[in-house]
Amino acid sequence: EVQLVESGGGLVQPGGSLRLSCAASGFTFSSYWMTWVRQAPGKGLEWVANIKEDGSEKYYVDSVKGRFTISRDNAKNSLYLQMNSLRAEDRAIYYCVRVRITMIRGVLSYYMDVWGKGTTVAVSS
Amino acid sequence: QSVLTQPPSASGTPGQRVTISCSGSSSNIGTNIVNWYQQLPGTAPKLLIYSNNQRPSGVPDRFSASKSGTSASLAITGLQSEDEGDYYCAAWDDSLNGPVFGGGTKLTVL
Repeated sequence: EVQLVESGGGLVQPGGSLRLSCAASGFTFSSYWMTWVRQAPGKGLEWVANIKEDGSEKYYVDSVKGRFTISRDNAKNSLYLQMNSLRAEDRAIYYCVRVRITMIRGVLSYYMDVWGKGTTVAVSS
Repeated sequence: QSVLTQPPSASGTPGQRVTISCSGSSSNIGTNIVNWYQQLPGTAPKLLIYSNNQRPSGVPDRFSASKSGTSASLAITGLQSEDEGDYYCAAWDDSLNGPVFGGGTKLTVL
């Protein structure tokens, strides 16, 4: 069974750090781009960061650039999100998601086909 | 403020047909493929439609989608109570160099 299981969420003070982990199973982890998506309480979905299959390319939403770092360990089938200088607005459920990327007749096809259950990050003093 | 625009709510009675719209721009929907995600209450989002109009295995054919220009829409026919939840459109945005979502539409089955 294809599965993504997040861990590492919790309560942290503003300015603090947290490292999220995601354990992948049931598929060849090293063959897929991976991403983190977050959802603030009562709000919609927001993409946070992407990482290429071999970790050589990483992309971030502007609001987390310089504060968050996405990484992966293909030998451990694991995805990570190091979050530093946390702010109140980073409070959210963070989902680990598998990505499918292909080019179809010159058009980028990008979609998120497997989602974890999420881990909750709370930022408060 | 989401990059893609969806109505905040939609509703219908069991058996009815409901549509949810999604409006974008030339840098996202106008150029790239649209996907739809379903989030049932208290659960993680799930891929509902990919590549504009393809259904993953297990998604009933009551769900369909289309795209025209810089807009897209999701249609649900034979509405069922278990369809109640939030629906999000998404597309890659060439200007932002990342995926963008709509704000979500809360579907209520009356």
